[in-house]
Amino acid sequence: EDKVVQSPLSLVVHEGDTVTLNCSYEVTNFRSLLWYKQEKKAPTFLFMLTSSGIEKKSGRLSSILDKKELFSILNITATQTGDSAVYLCAVITAGKSTFGDGTTLTVKP
Amino acid sequence: KAGVTQTPRYLIKTRGQQVTLSCSPISGHRSVSWYQQTPGQGLQFLFEYFSETQRNKGNFPGRFSGRQFSNSRSEMNVSTLELGDSALYLCASSFGPLGAEAFFGQGTRLTVV
Repeated sequence: EDKVVQSPLSLVVHEGDTVTLNCSYEVTNFRSLLWYKQEKKAPTFLFMLTSSGIEKKSGRLSSILDKKELFSILNITATQTGDSAVYLCAVITAGKSTFGDGTTLTVKP
Repeated sequence: KAGVTQTPRYLIKTRGQQVTLSCSPISGHRSVSWYQQTPGQGLQFLFEYFSETQRNKGNFPGRFSGRQFSNSRSEMNVSTLELGDSALYLCASSFGPLGAEAFFGQGTRLTVV
């Protein structure tokens, strides 16, 4: 059975801190790994990763995939209160999509 | 461009009834996937439709079914509702197949009483 594990489950930081969120997986027929941010209801897309070692970057957020060690990290630098959300990692395989339980990030002013 | 639209936003049903949820994808998107989100189980994949064909399916019982129309709009049906079906049902659309950048709708909150 495919498994996606995110850590930590929750994190509280102060504005300006840098955070690293982890996503490890054990799946069959890996296709891609996606990161989403969920604030209220609809998750919003952050990154799609398919190749190992290539960093995707968008502003203060960046992500990288390690297909040998089967994990991905999402980095957020200079955090802001608006970064407070649940961050979800999803792994897409040949037949389906498996989500982790998410990391709840709280950024305090 | 308009986002993914899900209707209705909220729904209350009684055990044993059936329900149909609707999802209108972003114009031009051909893939629609459905998810169930609950506090206990997180976000779980139900199925994906691409060009009117179900291409991928998660581990849900046959009471959960769906279809996609020629205009890419999709419906999800749940028959013989159980209390445990209470959840937020999300759909996501993408231009490419499952795994491509996907855009989620606001979801339908289903409560089974």
